[in-house]
Amino acid sequence: EAGVAQSPRYKIIEKRQSVAFWCNPISGHATLYWYQQILGQGPKLLIQFQNNGVVDDSQLPKDRFSAERLKGVDSTLKIQPAKLEDSAVYLCASSSAGRGVFTGELFFGEGSRLTVL
Amino acid sequence: KQEVTQIPAALSVPEGENLVLNCSFTDSAIYNLQWFRQDPGKGLTSLLLIQSSQREQTSGRLNASLDKSSGRSTLYIAASQPGDSATYLCAVRTNAGKSTFGDGTTLTVKP
Repeated sequence: EAGVAQSPRYKIIEKRQSVAFWCNPISGHATLYWYQQILGQGPKLLIQFQNNGVVDDSQLPKDRFSAERLKGVDSTLKIQPAKLEDSAVYLCASSSAGRGVFTGELFFGEGSRLTVL
Repeated sequence: KQEVTQIPAALSVPEGENLVLNCSFTDSAIYNLQWFRQDPGKGLTSLLLIQSSQREQTSGRLNASLDKSSGRSTLYIAASQPGDSATYLCAVRTNAGKSTFGDGTTLTVKP
């Protein structure tokens, strides 16, 4: 079974530029999460989707961050304009629901490392 | 608001030693607790998942325990190896489906 796919793995931009990250969850996983992980810290939830609906985006800086999950499968996270403090690893995760017993286990992709200069 | 703490932040041990990593949380109304391993520049790899109704889970040399009443979980690693060197994170999931992570413990196992 293929894991969570993310791209690009690395991105370097200058402040005020825009960037987009893509995530394809494990096949059949209804719930998709975007996390931000700053060096030396644990991941912090940015947004959670259930199918193509938003469950929780309370920690998403909506003035510059946006995310969508069209058709309830893959998702895109966009930052525009980027700030220096956005330098971090952006992790995508998925979990299953509606197939057998729901365990709530999270499965992560390799992450997209963003450097803002 | 759930808060998750992992102490110590870093740990260095000689190869072969048994060790315990700690994870504490403030709200005992949890759905599950999950332990992850993260290698430098990589994503998170799931190690063990303990459901709210369980007390422990085992996989190979790893054993994780959960004590909801005291708000604690431990990850026991037996006979540590240099390949175990990584950052270990715990995540606590609420019944509402939100997971809160600790900041991790960075483990170094010296040959």
